[in-house]
Amino acid sequence: DAMVIQNPRYQVTQFGKPVTLSCSQTLNHNVMYWYQQKSSQAPKLLFHYYDKDFNNEADTPDNFQSRRPNTSFCFLDIRSPGLGDAAMYLCATSRVPGEEQYFGPGTRLTVT
Amino acid sequence: SQQGEEDPQALSIQEGENATMNCSYKTSINNLQWYRQNSGRGLVHLILIRSNEREKHSGRLRVTLDTSKKSSSLLITASRAADTASYFCATEDNFGNEKLTFGTGTRLTIIP
Repeated sequence: DAMVIQNPRYQVTQFGKPVTLSCSQTLNHNVMYWYQQKSSQAPKLLFHYYDKDFNNEADTPDNFQSRRPNTSFCFLDIRSPGLGDAAMYLCATSRVPGEEQYFGPGTRLTVT
Repeated sequence: SQQGEEDPQALSIQEGENATMNCSYKTSINNLQWYRQNSGRGLVHLILIRSNEREKHSGRLRVTLDTSKKSSSLLITASRAADTASYFCATEDNFGNEKLTFGTGTRLTIIP
């Protein structure tokens, strides 16, 4: 089945130690999104790629970076994780912006 | 903030009853979508209603949209224990931002 895959499902990192989360999709969608979701809150968009065009949200900290080497893969790099970056990170895709989004299962990040 | 508000924040009903959740938003939109999120998992798209539509059905789901009041409602009929989840509305505004803005969510609990 076509899907959005996130690895790992659970990630523990130390304060200040860089971490990379990965997302892959078999839907061949043009748009890929990264969201941060904290407990009992709505998903917060960090950035998205429309094909190769990168769109950063104005309030996304510089500590967060992203790469999309090809259509299928997208990475979220957190350069120096702080305790406040502990959250669920969700990857999503859509065929075109604004349409139905397909979400991966998420990566739960813990910062110690 | 352009984030939508959902009402109620939490809802508990008996299995078999109908559940209604409401969403209000602030901007002019192209479409409004509803998503379900089971605890600790990714979001699942339920239904999309466009700004020129007033009502849409999908199985046990009924969504209404009132653009004059900037509000939408999601009705789940004949609720089941498996419907226990958080429900989020999300809007695509017509400013060309290429993104969805999620509401604060309603936590629905179905009591067997």
